[in-house]
Formats: sequence, C-alpha cells, structure tokens
Amino acid sequence: DSGVTQTPKHLITATGQRVTLRCSPRSGDLSVYWYQQSLDQGLQFLIQYYNGEERAKGNILERFSAQQFPDLHSELNLSSLELGDSALYFCASSPSGVTSGFYETQYFGPGTRLLVL
Amino acid sequence: AQTVTQSQPEMSVQEAETVTLSCTYDTSESNYYLFWYKQPPSRQMILVIRQEAYKQQNATENRFSVNFQKAAKSFSLKISDSQLGDTAMYFCAFMKWGSGAGSYQLTFGKGTKLSVIP
Repeated sequence: DSGVTQTPKHLITATGQRVTLRCSPRSGDLSVYWYQQSLDQGLQFLIQYYNGEERAKGNILERFSAQQFPDLHSELNLSSLELGDSALYFCASSPSGVTSGFYETQYFGPGTRLLVL
Repeated sequence: AQTVTQSQPEMSVQEAETVTLSCTYDTSESNYYLFWYKQPPSRQMILVIRQEAYKQQNATENRFSVNFQKAAKSFSLKISDSQLGDTAMYFCAFMKWGSGAGSYQLTFGKGTKLSVIP
C-alpha cells in the first residue's frame, strides 16, 4: 500500500459523457501527478500539481482538466469521452516537486480503470 | 513526438549476476533528460538513475549504471550484483521542457519486467 488512494476503482460510461476521478495523496506529500496507461500508448504523464498550483503539463488533452484542492486531494475531469480514452488512470504523489518532481520517488495509487462504451 | 522503446518485455537474471536493460529513443532535441524508474509491486515509481543529455559522462548510482550513447539514441541500464529486491518493472523515460511555461513532455517506454532468480 503506497498510501495514495484513488476512487473509483472502476468506471464504465458512454461516449460523450463526463467523469471525475479522485485522488488523495500520501500524508505530507505536496505534489500530485496524473498518468494515463493504455496498452497501445503505454504510460503517459498528463499533469502535475504542487500545493494547489499547476506545476507541469504533459500530454493532456484539452477535454481533460485537473485541479488540486486546499486539502491537497486532486481531481481529474474527463469530458466528451471517446472510446480511445479507455485506460487505466494513475495518480501519484511525491513530497515536493518544487523544481522537478521527476527527480524524486513518486508513490502511485492503485489506479482507476475507465471503460468508455 | 518523442518515442521511447524498450525492446525486452521480460528478462530474468540470477542473483549476484549482471543484467542490462535496453532503451532507445527518438528525438530531434539536443537538450533533454533520461531516466530509469523502478516500479515494484508496491506501486512506487522509484527513480533509479538520471542522465542529462549534455553530460558525456555516464551516470552511476551504486550498483546501477547507464550506457548513454547520444548519437545512437541509446540509454541502457546495467544492474550489477543483482539482488532479489531488484525484481520489478523498469521504465525508461525521456523528458524535455515543453513550449509552455512549466510544461514538460515526459514519455515512458512500455517497461521491462525484471525477475531476479535466487
């Protein structure tokens, strides 16, 4: 158990819909990262938040957005869903990430499996 | 777009032996970073080693070392004196700064599952 929690574990929805994935980081961690993992694309970094502010943006689509709240939990919003959005979405956290969170260990949650039908 | 290829989906090595995991990448950039991450079943993504592209010297961290061949776009990881705790999924990753402020482009390979056999 990494200490990072994600809800829900599974999500089935239809094309065109909107969903929200939730992540609670490890106690004391200030950075949250979102990743998408699919069979064909592999693991892709989407976005990083540090202490409530967007820190780094990766291959995140415009249909996707995220935020980190004052209690440091984060939500990833996926809208106008397409079949290709079906994937495993991971949240990770790390202690700081002020300069680059990729220089320190990240703790991954168990993931949310999204299926778009 | 950058691509990262790990051509060995699975590998195994005897305890105390040496193993090399391969990684190639494709980019037109000259300044970038390369990483090897280890992901054990506990789901941490542990930074094993990193290499800045402008540095010619290969990075080393204890039993872990890399062979960075910039011209060949190759970044292999050598694990010496393999230990049971090295059993994990290993990801090679490429990172460069994006065009927007605070924007990264981070690309992972699909991973190599390494098993260390007693």
